[in-house]
Amino acid sequence: GNSVTQMEGPVTLSEEAFLTINCTYTATGYPSLFWYVQYPGEGLQLLLKATKADDKGSNKGFEATYRKETTSFHLEKGSVQVSDSAVYFCALFELNTGGFKTIFGAGTRLFVKA
Amino acid sequence: GAGVSQSPSNKVTEKGKDVELRCDPISGHTALYWYRQSLGQGLEFLIYFQGNSAPDKSGLPSDRFSAERTGGSVSTLTIQRTQQEDSAVYLCASGWGAPGTDTQYFGPGTRLTVL
Repeated sequence: GNSVTQMEGPVTLSEEAFLTINCTYTATGYPSLFWYVQYPGEGLQLLLKATKADDKGSNKGFEATYRKETTSFHLEKGSVQVSDSAVYFCALFELNTGGFKTIFGAGTRLFVKA
Repeated sequence: GAGVSQSPSNKVTEKGKDVELRCDPISGHTALYWYRQSLGQGLEFLIYFQGNSAPDKSGLPSDRFSAERTGGSVSTLTIQRTQQEDSAVYLCASGWGAPGTDTQYFGPGTRLTVL
């Protein structure tokens, strides 16, 4: 079956450090992949997405590339800020003849220290 | 405020009681999704509406859970005979309706506590 696995947190970094949050997936077809972010006290919001293999999603300095060969969609940012402290969720959406599937990872909490 | 709204924001109930959770999607969004987020867990997909119909109800955890959507807008998630394991944050999201690639816009959630 479909699944999403992301690295466990919390991840604690100093400001301006490089960030990687790993996400791997299993799917029966060709899903779309998303990263959602939940800032403290706020609702989930889309950070970036990629709908097919080799696509790169990017937003607010974050990037993730849809790697079909490694079934991965790792989130990266070159220089994190305190304001990036949040919980990040990797998600898979797939629509096929079997129906609609959406699976979210467990979330990775990021703390960025000044 | 054109975002997704949910009510109530918090609900405390006694075991065995029924609860209704409401979701008002973004105007014009045809797709509506319900999720459950338990403490320390990822989001668990419950059900999806396209218009007023739910093509797949298999994500609902038990027959105590039901959901409906009327007028292609407001949706209600009902939990009958609540149990303590139902305690979670219930999230609603809406979208334009292409579920394979749809961006979902999430509401703030309803935190349900079953005593």
